[in-house]
Amino acid sequence: NAGVTQTPKFQVLKTGQSMTLQCAQDMNHNSMYWYRQDPGMGLRLIYYSASEGTTDKGEVPNGYNVSRLNKREFSLRLESAAPSQTSVYFCASRLSGKNQPQHFGDGTRLSIL
Amino acid sequence: RKEVEQDPGPFNVPEGATVAFNCTYSNSASQSFFWYRQDCRKEPKLLMSVYSSGNEDGRFTAQLNRASQYISLLIRDSKLSDSATYLCAVKGSQAGTALIFGKGTTLSVSS
Repeated sequence: NAGVTQTPKFQVLKTGQSMTLQCAQDMNHNSMYWYRQDPGMGLRLIYYSASEGTTDKGEVPNGYNVSRLNKREFSLRLESAAPSQTSVYFCASRLSGKNQPQHFGDGTRLSIL
Repeated sequence: RKEVEQDPGPFNVPEGATVAFNCTYSNSASQSFFWYRQDCRKEPKLLMSVYSSGNEDGRFTAQLNRASQYISLLIRDSKLSDSATYLCAVKGSQAGTALIFGKGTTLSVSS
């Protein structure tokens, strides 16, 4: 039962490098989300995709781009990584409907040197 | 005012204690409410949804107070394994919008 799968689990980048974080879900969920989590800041929404073909900015979108490749996959791209983007990144997905919770992947730990 | 606020704690309690967390939200149109549990360096996992009439799952009870715009989580007979960070999450009425999370309340249960 895979659920939400994120790759890679860990990554170290140098400032200015680019990187794409991958996320895939096998639960036939409509909506997918990218969050970052930093100490003392909680989970902050970067981008989300309410349905295949749509994407919207969240609370902290600057420095990121996303692609909803198909219903299963939602990728997050850092075009020019900065040390401030060092964080733990979580992807989540959700079935449409009231009271449907979000299900999270196990995260990508990203360090930018 | 932040959209979703929680007392960060930490709450340090002995085994067997009863502990309660509150979470306030600012958007009166919010429709869905959840409690998640997060262990150190792991992903958040759904603990329970919060229904209007309140709901219970074993030692855990969740309640919603729409008039005062808060949700609560009560843990009875605390176990060592309950030690974790508890996140409340709130969703607005628009379809597809994301959950907004509180920063979490840390619980430490000791023997």
